[in-house]
Amino acid sequence: DAGVIQSPRHEVTEMGQEVTLRCKPISGHDYLFWYRQTMMRGLELLIYFNNNVPIDDSGMPEDRFSAKMPNASFSTLKIQPSEPRDSAVYFCASSLSQKLYFSNTEAFFGQGTRLTVV
Amino acid sequence: EDKVVQSPLSLVVHEGDTVTLNCSYEVTNFRSLLWYKQEKKAPTFLFMLTSSGIEKKSGRLSSILDKKELFSILNITATQTGDSAVYLCAVEGTARGSQGNLIFGKGTKLSVKP
Repeated sequence: DAGVIQSPRHEVTEMGQEVTLRCKPISGHDYLFWYRQTMMRGLELLIYFNNNVPIDDSGMPEDRFSAKMPNASFSTLKIQPSEPRDSAVYFCASSLSQKLYFSNTEAFFGQGTRLTVV
Repeated sequence: EDKVVQSPLSLVVHEGDTVTLNCSYEVTNFRSLLWYKQEKKAPTFLFMLTSSGIEKKSGRLSSILDKKELFSILNITATQTGDSAVYLCAVEGTARGSQGNLIFGKGTKLSVKP
């Protein structure tokens, strides 16, 4: 398995534009997590899904952020409209169970999308 | 509010030095504490700690948890340039009413000079 796949790896966009980040979890994993990482706030959980259903979205910063998981192999995180303060690295992670860390490899985290909003 | 605080934020050492990274936490219904290493990509899992006083070791890395004082340390002996990374501490609690939600610290950036 190629692990969690995120796209794009880097995105630079202008303030006010819509941004869509994509994630393909590891096949068979029924939990999917979206994290945001910044220097100021570290790594923060935004939302997570279980069996394609959003379970906890209390970490989503505001209404400009939305996430969907239309099927077991695909999830999106959308920001509309984007703002410079949204600039961060966004990680997607998946797990077979509730235990995100049930691994000793990096396979459970995607490589991240570095978003820059100018 | 649950929080995880790591110190120092940044550390520069020379090869061969020993370093100690600190992680303190305040979490509702603590379940476990985890250490990750993050280089220029996704975090990689190092250790999971659930019980006080039991040291986990992996090569030159070791970690221990103190649930009474609410902290953990990560030790790296005989550091190498390949140890340069951001080390993340994360704690699993139940503040959000479910497992698997990790609260991360901001990390300690370790730079090992040749």
